[in-house]
Amino acid sequence: EPEVTQTPSHQVTQMGQEVILRCVPISNHLYFYWYRQILGQKVEFLVSFYNNEISEKSEIFDDQFSVERPDGSNFTLKIRSTKLEDSAMYFCASSETMELAGGPLSYNEQFFGPGTRLTVL
Amino acid sequence: AQRVTQPEKLLSVFKGAPVELKCNYSYSGSPELFWYVQYSRQRLQLLLRHISRESIKGFTADLNKGETSFHLKKPFAQEEDSAMYYCALSNAGGTSYGKLTFGQGTILTVHP
Repeated sequence: EPEVTQTPSHQVTQMGQEVILRCVPISNHLYFYWYRQILGQKVEFLVSFYNNEISEKSEIFDDQFSVERPDGSNFTLKIRSTKLEDSAMYFCASSETMELAGGPLSYNEQFFGPGTRLTVL
Repeated sequence: AQRVTQPEKLLSVFKGAPVELKCNYSYSGSPELFWYVQYSRQRLQLLLRHISRESIKGFTADLNKGETSFHLKKPFAQEEDSAMYYCALSNAGGTSYGKLTFGQGTILTVHP
């Protein structure tokens, strides 16, 4: 069964350094997401991406963050200058298409990757 | 703003006992509710969604718009149900591209 993959599983970096977290979504999926979970806190939405552009982003997703789909398979999250508070588990997710079942549009199930644990020292 | 509340951080039951994981939400639009589960050392995965109205692994959840709740229930818990459970909300209607808002999560432990 196809799965979302993420690399690396654990990234340690110094404060102020740039990091790129990589995700390979499921191949026929069209909607891509990044979430993060700071230790002991809830999973928080960062950004959604569709049709090669950001469709929505949260307040957390400031100018230090960017996303890209450079080659049609990878989906990356870049943090330009990491801060201590960026330490978290970062999850990538993808979903297929919207479905319309005679009512409001409904998004298909999001499939999550295993996460990348980012530690900023 | 949309918000999901799971009041219990930890829930312990014995095998064979009924279990209910509570979830309340606040959202002014047309919400779509989900339960995601994360078993030990595994990834987050969808357990069920309210529009499917199906029972998965013996779990059911009914959306109660009057009480703004989406509690997860199972009549007879099994040890393999031990996991972290997240209630999540999405905006049905397409304006937020499926963004999920999660609750804090409930760790369910089923004792033998």
